[in-house]
Amino acid sequence: IAGITQAPTSQILAAGRRMTLRCTQDMRHNAMYWYRQDLGLGLRLIHYSNTAGTTGKGEVPDGYSVSRANTDDFPLTLASAVPSQTSVYFCASSPTHGAAEYFGPGTRLLVL
Amino acid sequence: GQQVMQIPQYQHVQEGEDFTTYCNSSTTLSNIQWYKQRPGGHPVFLIQLVKSGEVKKQKRLTFQFGEAKKNSSLHITATQTTDVGTYFCAGSRLDSGYSTLTFGKGTMLLVSP
Repeated sequence: IAGITQAPTSQILAAGRRMTLRCTQDMRHNAMYWYRQDLGLGLRLIHYSNTAGTTGKGEVPDGYSVSRANTDDFPLTLASAVPSQTSVYFCASSPTHGAAEYFGPGTRLLVL
Repeated sequence: GQQVMQIPQYQHVQEGEDFTTYCNSSTTLSNIQWYKQRPGGHPVFLIQLVKSGEVKKQKRLTFQFGEAKKNSSLHITATQTTDVGTYFCAGSRLDSGYSTLTFGKGTMLLVSP
């Protein structure tokens, strides 16, 4: 069982480019989340999904979009990347909202 | 909005010394969770506390949830170099019928041998 996988592991992206970060879980968890982690700012929630077909905005949603077409996948899209989106992005899932969250290995993104 | 404050931001101890990190919420929580993140790694779930005044132990780690369900602490007895990492608390609050987690900014622990 893999748990949660994220791709790519790391990426260097030119400003203005579109980028999709992939996240897949095989635990059949209902809830999934995207966080960004920046030094000194901790983990901040970007978007979440309590169940397939629904999504919601977190603390820092601007510049990001998500979709949840099925239980397993929760891609995060940066429509037009900006340098302030340089960060480490973690995807997480939990059996239900508010329960323990299981994190993926992260994607390190550098926007130049 | 809900805020979760964590102190200290950073602590450096000698191996064998004790360590405590504190977490305070501006609102009453339905539960609190603790996570550990090793350098270069991802957050890993440690424990969840639900009941007012609850105390749970995992080997050398002791977790407490305050009576008012607004604060929590993690205490490590006799630290080891394997305890190095950042410890995050995350408060869960029932809001409009669903729960959201708010993470503290973490306490980075460095243990010198």
